[in-house]
Amino acid sequence: NAGVTQTPKFRILKIGQSMTLQCTQDMNHNYMYWYRQDPGMGLKLIYYSVGAGITDKGEVPNGYNVSRSTTEDFPLRLELAAPSQTSVYFCASKEYSNQPQHFGDGTRLSIL
Amino acid sequence: GDSVTQMEGPVTLSEEAFLTINCTYTATGYPSLFWYVQYPGEGLQLLLKATKADDKGSNKGFEATYRKETTSFHLEKGSVQVSDSAVYFCALSEGSGNTGKLIFGQGTTLQVKP
Repeated sequence: NAGVTQTPKFRILKIGQSMTLQCTQDMNHNYMYWYRQDPGMGLKLIYYSVGAGITDKGEVPNGYNVSRSTTEDFPLRLELAAPSQTSVYFCASKEYSNQPQHFGDGTRLSIL
Repeated sequence: GDSVTQMEGPVTLSEEAFLTINCTYTATGYPSLFWYVQYPGEGLQLLLKATKADDKGSNKGFEATYRKETTSFHLEKGSVQVSDSAVYFCALSEGSGNTGKLIFGQGTTLQVKP
């Protein structure tokens, strides 16, 4: 029972590079979320999805894009990496609106 | 908008001490409330939850009661262990709409010394 799987676990990018953070869940959850966690701060919502084909912006969407072509996968794309995007990124999923979210182990991203 | 405020950390306790981590919230509607725990290098794990006023969530010796009159959801444990050292996050789910979005507090680091 894998739950929510994020890859890679660590990555270093140069300014201006692009990359995709992968997130997949095997629980057939409809809802999926991307958060970023900065040191000493809580989690900030970047994007979320309530089902395949549906995505919406969260609190801090600038500089990111997402897609949800399948129920299982919810990749997060950084097009032009900037130092301000250095953070730990967490993906989460849930089955119904009022259920708790299940989190992946995170991707630690540094942009130099 | 909705928000969650937690007490500043870090909190340092000796083993077997009593723990309280304060959490207050501001919300429209009737949110569900959660405590998540994050161990070093790991993702967040649900610790406990409460879905309506006066509900008490409990798990692994931790408890929190949903107090609508004081808009609070304080986390307590009677006797902490070294293994409880972690970051604790209070969160609420938006009561309106159907997005299931969570609003997090800033987190409180707990360090328990032997």
